[in-house]
Amino acid sequence: EVQLLESGGGLVQPGGSLSLSCAASGFSFRNYAMNWVRQAPGKGLEWVSTITSGGGTFYADSVKGRFTISRDNSKNTLYLQMSSLRAEDTAHYYCAKDRGGTYFPYFDYWGQGILVTVSS
Amino acid sequence: EIVLTQSPGTLSLSPGERATLSCRASQSVSSTYLAWYQQKPGQAPRLLIYGASSRATGIPDRFSGSGSGTDFTLTITRLEPEDFAVYYCQQYGSSLTFGGGTKVEIK
Repeated sequence: EVQLLESGGGLVQPGGSLSLSCAASGFSFRNYAMNWVRQAPGKGLEWVSTITSGGGTFYADSVKGRFTISRDNSKNTLYLQMSSLRAEDTAHYYCAKDRGGTYFPYFDYWGQGILVTVSS
Repeated sequence: EIVLTQSPGTLSLSPGERATLSCRASQSVSSTYLAWYQQKPGQAPRLLIYGASSRATGIPDRFSGSGSGTDFTLTITRLEPEDFAVYYCQQYGSSLTFGGGTKVEIK
């Protein structure tokens, strides 16, 4: 059974930093692109970042230069390092697995999400 | 960037009725690279449809997807109580973007 478990969320002040983790199990983690997708409270879904199986990284314009996605295949873990956080980064952050087979991802498994709140 | 517009914003229907949800793209979506997700309150999204018309694993056959180019449709033939939720479309043919969602609520 595929499981994705996010951790590391919480309250952070504007301008601060926070790191999210996503522990994956139940599939061959190293063979799949992994992603972060966020959802502001009461709003729709927004793609944040992708890391390919080969380590290539892609970011939404809204987070480029502030967020860094990475992965540790030996630990089956995905990370998102967030810095220079803004109020508009407040959202539930979901770790999502790419189903594979296409250049751009779509998501067949999602974590339960973790809340990041940016507020003073 | 391809913008996806979903309509209607809210669909009020009764169990057993048919639901038809629309997703319109600002440009043609390559190779019908369009997916649909269902999200219930407090839960993560769930993949329903990919490639515009292929059902994901475990998805009941009352869910079907159709369309190509710029116009796509998700149809739920007979609404079950557990189908009342928000539905999102996503294109993955040119970068990736999500639609704003359609809420299917109980009438």
